[in-house]
Amino acid sequence: QKEVEQDPGPLSVPEGAIVSLNCTYSNSAFQYFMWYRQYSRKGPELLMYTYSSGNKEDGRFTAQVDKSSKYISLFIRDSQPSDSATYLCAMMSRGNFNKFYFGSGTKLNVKP
Amino acid sequence: DADVTQTPRNRITKTGKRIMLECSQTKGHDRMYWYRQDPGLGLRLIYYSFDVKDINKGEISDGYSVSRQAQAKFSLSLESAIPNQTALYFCATSDTGSHEQYFGPGTRLTVT
Repeated sequence: QKEVEQDPGPLSVPEGAIVSLNCTYSNSAFQYFMWYRQYSRKGPELLMYTYSSGNKEDGRFTAQVDKSSKYISLFIRDSQPSDSATYLCAMMSRGNFNKFYFGSGTKLNVKP
Repeated sequence: DADVTQTPRNRITKTGKRIMLECSQTKGHDRMYWYRQDPGLGLRLIYYSFDVKDINKGEISDGYSVSRQAQAKFSLSLESAIPNQTALYFCATSDTGSHEQYFGPGTRLTVT
């Protein structure tokens, strides 16, 4: 079993829709949860991070962590064509010397 | 100028050839990483280095070697390239204790 599971999509939505992206994980030691955005032919860049459980909001983006269910989500409100990209979740635990574990990425297409 | 640079950006090589991918960073980070990205498999860690004297294998190190020539430089070598090493390769850096990784633009490698 992979440590981090993510639905690869693709996910296609109309402009203005609410998007929900999700990852599940198996390692209860994970404490840091990140979402990276990767545009075509570019390297991933950090979009949001959350420590432990709870929600974090940044503009149109909300990250949620449910450690009891080992489940994290990224919500995008009022999605825009510029949000079209691949979204990767990533996780790490302090006890593993900052090694990062990535999901396989979900490809999102927001249609104008 | 970009903080994390990779050369070459694209490379086509033949089976059995030795090839080196180079990564340089100006962020002053101690930690550097090499990943490969394949469709449906996400980012997989090849090697990582927490300082100049520290080199560690990742989950898929077979067929690869690395060299940390300086704090700012981390190169990845394929001693004898094979077709299933065709992939997108990313270098990344992070600061000690940080949850964030900074990625280079990637090298697209094709082995024929």
